[in-house]
Amino acid sequence: ETGVTQTPRHLVMGMTNKKSLKCEQHLGHNAMYWYKQSAKKPLELMFVYNFKEQTENNSVPSRFSPECPNSSHLFLHLHTLQPEDSALYLCASSQPRGTSDQETQYFGPGTRLLVL
Amino acid sequence: AQKITQTQPGMFVQEKEAVTLDCTYDTSDQSYGLFWYKQPSSGEMIFLIYQGSYDEQNATEGRYSLNFQKARKSANLVISASQLGDSAMYFCAMRESGGNEKLTFGTGTRLTIIP
Repeated sequence: ETGVTQTPRHLVMGMTNKKSLKCEQHLGHNAMYWYKQSAKKPLELMFVYNFKEQTENNSVPSRFSPECPNSSHLFLHLHTLQPEDSALYLCASSQPRGTSDQETQYFGPGTRLLVL
Repeated sequence: AQKITQTQPGMFVQEKEAVTLDCTYDTSDQSYGLFWYKQPSSGEMIFLIYQGSYDEQNATEGRYSLNFQKARKSANLVISASQLGDSAMYFCAMRESGGNEKLTFGTGTRLTIIP
């Protein structure tokens, strides 16, 4: 199993649809993250979960709803999105802060989302 | 002010040559970490190398090395003996102390290796 997997890899949805992105990590980590990567912009952190608890919400609109049922799985539920939400959504995992000096975040391959 | 600055939007390098990708950062923290990631066209962000602010030696990982100049707040990535597979976007990122896990990324450099 590769370290961090994401499904689907590509998603096209209308503004009235509801869809979910899934992330799974097989690295034994306890921190998971959602990032958004838009064209010509730096990666933007959206949410952070530590031991299944949300520890950061980076002023993300409520049309994005994260869920972390356990330390290995992270979901991003999408509803009534806007065309400007089209982007690459990346999931990452790491050991939680304070467990090591490095705490490198390992990323999945991302979901390319297009909102029509 | 930007926390991570990558001034080279794109670079073209001949295969087998060495290449340096620039990164400067801005922080008032004494403890921080610097990361480089590679993003091929497939989209996945691949971790390359890490440098801690207290590390006295420059980090190295195979063909990758990090030229860390703390006083100048720079953390340039050096790739030796470049290969065609090195063509990708490269991102510099920083994690500051302060109780959160946030990584701040630069805008990236698109590296193209020419055969």
